[in-house]
Formats: sequence, C-alpha cells, structure tokens
Amino acid sequence: AQSVTQLGSHVSVSEGALVLLRCNYSSSVPPYLFWYVQYPNQGLQLLLKYTSAATLVKGINGFEAEFKKSETSFHLTKPSAHMSDAAEYFCAAPYSGGSNYKLTFGKGTLLTVNP
Amino acid sequence: DAGVTQSPTHLIKTRGQQVTLRCSPISGHKSVSWYQQVLGQGPQFIFQYYEKEERGRGNFPDRFSARQFPNYSSELNVNALLLGDSALYLCASSPDGSYGYTFGSGTRLTVV
Repeated sequence: AQSVTQLGSHVSVSEGALVLLRCNYSSSVPPYLFWYVQYPNQGLQLLLKYTSAATLVKGINGFEAEFKKSETSFHLTKPSAHMSDAAEYFCAAPYSGGSNYKLTFGKGTLLTVNP
Repeated sequence: DAGVTQSPTHLIKTRGQQVTLRCSPISGHKSVSWYQQVLGQGPQFIFQYYEKEERGRGNFPDRFSARQFPNYSSELNVNALLLGDSALYLCASSPDGSYGYTFGSGTRLTVV
C-alpha cells in the first residue's frame, strides 16, 4: 500500500524566507499527489494536485511543488513566506490497490512564520 | 455557494455513549467521504458513499457506521465510544467520488 512521509513535523521560517516542506511517497509512481493546508480549527483546503501532466505544479497562494520520480519526492515550496502561511500542511496520495477514492495522508508539517 | 457543511462543530460525549455526526455535501455532489483526524496525525479514511451505496471502508471497527440519504447528505455513527475516538471528523464531498474532494470544517468530538 502507498504511504506518504513528511520529513519534519515542524518547520519555522522568517517572513520573506523560502518555504520548503518535504514529502516522499513509498511505492510505485502514484497517478496523483496532493498538498493540503489546514488552518487552525478548520478543514483541509487543496493547495495543489499533481496529475502526471507536468512535474512542476503551481497551486494557490504562491505555492508550487515538483514531482521527482528519481527521488520519490513531491516537495512543496514558496519563494517568500507570509505570516498568513502559518498553518499545517499535509501531503497525500491515493491508497494503492486500484481504488480511486481513498487518500492516504502524511502526518503533517506545522509551518510557523516568524516576523 | 455553500460548501460542505458539518454539524455539530463540537461535542463532548462520555465513554460508552453513541454519537451521530452529520454532513451536507456541496450541491450537485453525489459522493461523501469521512475521515478521522486524531490530534497530531493526518486524516485517516473511514468511509466513502456514492449514490447512497458504500464504496469503501477504512480500517475501523464495526462500531463505526455511516449512511447516505437520497439528498446525498450523510451521517456517521459511532457506538460505544472510547477515549481514543476523540478526534476531528472530516467530511468531504466530490461530484463522482474521485479525488476532487472538498472538505468541510469538521466536527471536533471529545470523549471523556
């Protein structure tokens, strides 16, 4: 079964600094990969989705992610952090086994942005 | 347009009790999925319903059950509550059950 690993449960950056959140998938190349953001006391909001059409995926709020098959990675980046980016971020992939409806999530990375 | 709405937003239950959580999908969406998010973890899949039929079930005990109504709204029921059931329960809807999920804000369940 597919699993997703997020390296670093907590990342702290200064406002204006580069944001890099790491995600690795475990098994065969997934057809999709996702990044979600969760603000305090809220549900999940889709940031971006990889669909194999392009390895560099642009999302909302200035975020982007690059799919690298050789590294089994799908890291999330943003060139310049803003205070409003402080939230928890989750990487997700389809659960293998032919299902097209079940997602498996990483444990999340809490992003703190310091003024 | 209204998003995915969940009710209640918070509730507190005692061990052994039963609870029902409710979800209204986005208008036109025929599929509802339920996820459990324990503090400090990513969401875990519980169920998906599509056109009122159960399409998939995660690794949860039979104490967890769900159903979908003709208007596509859904209920998640949990019987014989345990302390470990304390979590944020997220509902997500999509037009056809595929990965185009839209999540609701969740119901925070605390079992004491």
